[in-house]
Amino acid sequence: SQQGEEDPQALSIQEGENATMNCSYKTSINNLQWYRQNSGRGLVHLILIRSNEREKHSGRLRVTLDTSKKSSSLLITASRAADTASYFCATDPGSQGNLIFGKGTKLSVKP
Amino acid sequence: NAGVTQTPKFQVLKTGQSMTLQCAQDMNHEYMSWYRQDPGMGLRLIHYSVGAGITDQGEVPNGYNVSRSTTEDFPLRLLSAAPSQTSVYFCATGGRQETQYFGPGTRLLVL
Repeated sequence: SQQGEEDPQALSIQEGENATMNCSYKTSINNLQWYRQNSGRGLVHLILIRSNEREKHSGRLRVTLDTSKKSSSLLITASRAADTASYFCATDPGSQGNLIFGKGTKLSVKP
Repeated sequence: NAGVTQTPKFQVLKTGQSMTLQCAQDMNHEYMSWYRQDPGMGLRLIHYSVGAGITDQGEVPNGYNVSRSTTEDFPLRLLSAAPSQTSVYFCATGGRQETQYFGPGTRLLVL
């Protein structure tokens, strides 16, 4: 079953604009992770945010987590054409470390 | 360090054939997992292992078998391939409740 639901399913922006993707989930979690997948490639880890954290930054990426609303957002600032990819949120709800993925947001950044 | 490697990169099978997808990691993590990714979907967990000699089922285990004789290797066996198993398969490793590192994937087509 899909735990996370990303919104929007697809996003098209111009280079230099900011891109915001949202993720909602259903159960309590240990952490939430964001991954990027370029077309036909594997997943690249972007950020892990733990349930006791509210915000995290990494370069041009900013992730927020609201456990009361069971939601997270990923902000990419000053986007580049190279940011074109699918972005997935994955939640870790149990004790084993198994991840549950959403269906992803397909981001297209036009030069 | 190679990280997570998967072989083969691409495979075509006929219905009823069996095969083994290989996954190896040199990151010395105890936790390893297999996911499948279907078009328009996020990743779904097939099987996972928290250490050598220990395996367990994920969300979609039917038709697949795993074993974990060493820390480094976690092969996934398709017992009798079916068209519904056409998918991209990803292996991952990492600490429990930590970042997961994914391999490049194996594309499987079952005719």
